[in-house]
Amino acid sequence: DIQMTQSPSTLSASVGDRVTITCRASQSVSSWLAWYQQKPGKAPKLLVYKASSLESGVPSRVSGSGSGTDFTLTISSLQPDDFATYYCQQYNSYPWTFGQGTKVEFK
Amino acid sequence: QVQLVQSGAEMTKPGASVRVSCKASGYTFTNYDISWLRQAPGQGLEWVGWISVNNGNTNYAQKLQGRVSMTTDTSTNTAYMELRSLTSDDTAIYYCARHLTSLGRGVAGYWGQGTLVTVSS
Repeated sequence: DIQMTQSPSTLSASVGDRVTITCRASQSVSSWLAWYQQKPGKAPKLLVYKASSLESGVPSRVSGSGSGTDFTLTISSLQPDDFATYYCQQYNSYPWTFGQGTKVEFK
Repeated sequence: QVQLVQSGAEMTKPGASVRVSCKASGYTFTNYDISWLRQAPGQGLEWVGWISVNNGNTNYAQKLQGRVSMTTDTSTNTAYMELRSLTSDDTAIYYCARHLTSLGRGVAGYWGQGTLVTVSS
């Protein structure tokens, strides 16, 4: 199975901050990488697929980049609605595997 | 709009089985694959398996092989996930998710609301 490693596990930030979350795969997943946002008690929400494609309705302050084994999710100016947990996921091959999550919390 | 509505919470005993349903609406059911995922309390996301709604092909997580089955009923646009020989380690929220696109590699684009399965004696 492909191992996905996210960092940091927790990120303390303020409204307006630029935040970056990284995700590393144990082997190349090409661009088959997705990012999800999850809020407490809710199902995950797809933000980015194919490493850099923004899902419909996701604000443009969110962006994804990378290919192969190294990926990033960037929020250019953190908004109150962005405080949540974020997961990366590879779908290059089954089984799909996820990073352990990054919790973005108020500083 | 695409909607996936899952069945209600289940509380069951070790060794029993559980079946979770996922009723789809707002799109052509047979055109999109469905994956099932789970999330243990306070933990991250784990892929359970995938079913091709078009032809019934499946792919299950190795650790659940032999205990999990996924099926669909195209007459009611409903997908099912059954898990047998339950243990406390199976306690989790189970999600169904429709793949975003009908072709190519799938990604979980639309999610059900989740079904809490609690296994306890």
